[in-house]
Amino acid sequence: GAVVSQHPSRVICKSGTSVKIECRSLDFQATTMFWYRQFPKKSLMLMATSNEGSKATYEQGVEKDKFLINHASLTLSTLTVTSAHPEDSSFYICSVRGGGAQHFGDGTRLSIL
Amino acid sequence: KNEVEQSPQNLTAQEGEFITINCSYSVGISALHWLQQHPGGGIVSLFMLSSGKKKHGRLIATINIQEKHSSLHITASHPRDSAVYICAASSNSGNTPLVFGKGTRLSVIA
Repeated sequence: GAVVSQHPSRVICKSGTSVKIECRSLDFQATTMFWYRQFPKKSLMLMATSNEGSKATYEQGVEKDKFLINHASLTLSTLTVTSAHPEDSSFYICSVRGGGAQHFGDGTRLSIL
Repeated sequence: KNEVEQSPQNLTAQEGEFITINCSYSVGISALHWLQQHPGGGIVSLFMLSSGKKKHGRLIATINIQEKHSSLHITASHPRDSAVYICAASSNSGNTPLVFGKGTRLSVIA
């Protein structure tokens, strides 16, 4: 079964809407989760490292006020895309390391109209 | 220069062919991962290896630590193997993210 649960799988919404994506680690306590973004036919790009109980670490060029990350428990991290615009349309995926392996959520395909 | 390089970028094969995807890395790693991403986007971890060779079904992964090189082989390829295969490197710490290659897009034609 799934080790990492990510919801929603697809979001279509209007420009200006804020969208929250949840990533749950089902089998492991995850002090760290990773958020990635992927544009069509491109490789995964790390956006930020989510740390339980503390601030996320953002990669260069990723706006922390635009992409809010909350990791309030050992099993849940959320990514909120605030005031989304069409250029934020992308595939977002979270990842957790546990049991000696890397596990990925099924991803969220975000489309901003 | 990307720290993890994959080749080829694109690969088309006939059903039944033996397929090899190569990965070279320049970073010090604790493990090398092979991932599979299907058109829907979901990513599946195929292998994590730090030495030698692993086999699962028709898939074989090898790594040469001295040469910093890994290969993923698919025997008796099938159209359902069509996907993007991604090589990624990890360090010892669980708090550091994977370093990804750009992926190899494989199409297996019946």
